[in-house]
Amino acid sequence: SQKIEQNSEALNIQEGKTATLTCNYTNYSPAYLQWYRQDPGRGPVFLLLIRENEKEKRKERLKVTFDTTLKQSLFHITASQPADSATYLCALPSGGYQKVTFGTGTKLQVIP
Amino acid sequence: NAGVTQTPKFRVLKTGQSMTLLCAQDMNHEYMYWYRQDPGMGLRLIHYSVGEGTTAKGEVPDGYNVSRLKKQNFLLGLESAAPSQTSVYFCASSGQERGRDEQYFGPGTRLTVT
Repeated sequence: SQKIEQNSEALNIQEGKTATLTCNYTNYSPAYLQWYRQDPGRGPVFLLLIRENEKEKRKERLKVTFDTTLKQSLFHITASQPADSATYLCALPSGGYQKVTFGTGTKLQVIP
Repeated sequence: NAGVTQTPKFRVLKTGQSMTLLCAQDMNHEYMYWYRQDPGMGLRLIHYSVGEGTTAKGEVPDGYNVSRLKKQNFLLGLESAAPSQTSVYFCASSGQERGRDEQYFGPGTRLTVT
């Protein structure tokens, strides 16, 4: 089964800076990788999906990269805002395309 | 569209009691999932369903049962609750488009077993 590692320590950054979160996996390279945002007391919300043949994906201030050689995805938030403060989860397919395995998430705090 | 809804939002049970958590989705999704989320453990899959009338075990199925009698509903049952089942439970659904299986989550049910 896939093992996913996200930095369990909270990431604190200054407003306006770029936040970079890491998702590492240990086994087979997945066909795609997803990123979700979770606010306290709420369910996760899907943000971006990147496929194995895509090096980079962008959506507004978000950018995701996928390096199958390093077995790593990086999630960037540019011009970060306090409203970006949340926990960010990565997820990879497991057992075919029917389900995914989630990382434990990284808590991001953007300081005004 | 309401998306994915869960009832109840909160529940306190005594050890040995039973209960059913209800999940409903109005997006005509084939796939539905039940997760539990505990501090430091992340989201762990309990059971899932790939269509009406089907269920399958996930990572942590012991102590739980599920049923998917209607496509829009996925029920999670605890027959004899234990303190170890104190957690936040999330239901999710996704469509069947291969390669784009983003999941839509409900608001969660916070369960405490004393």
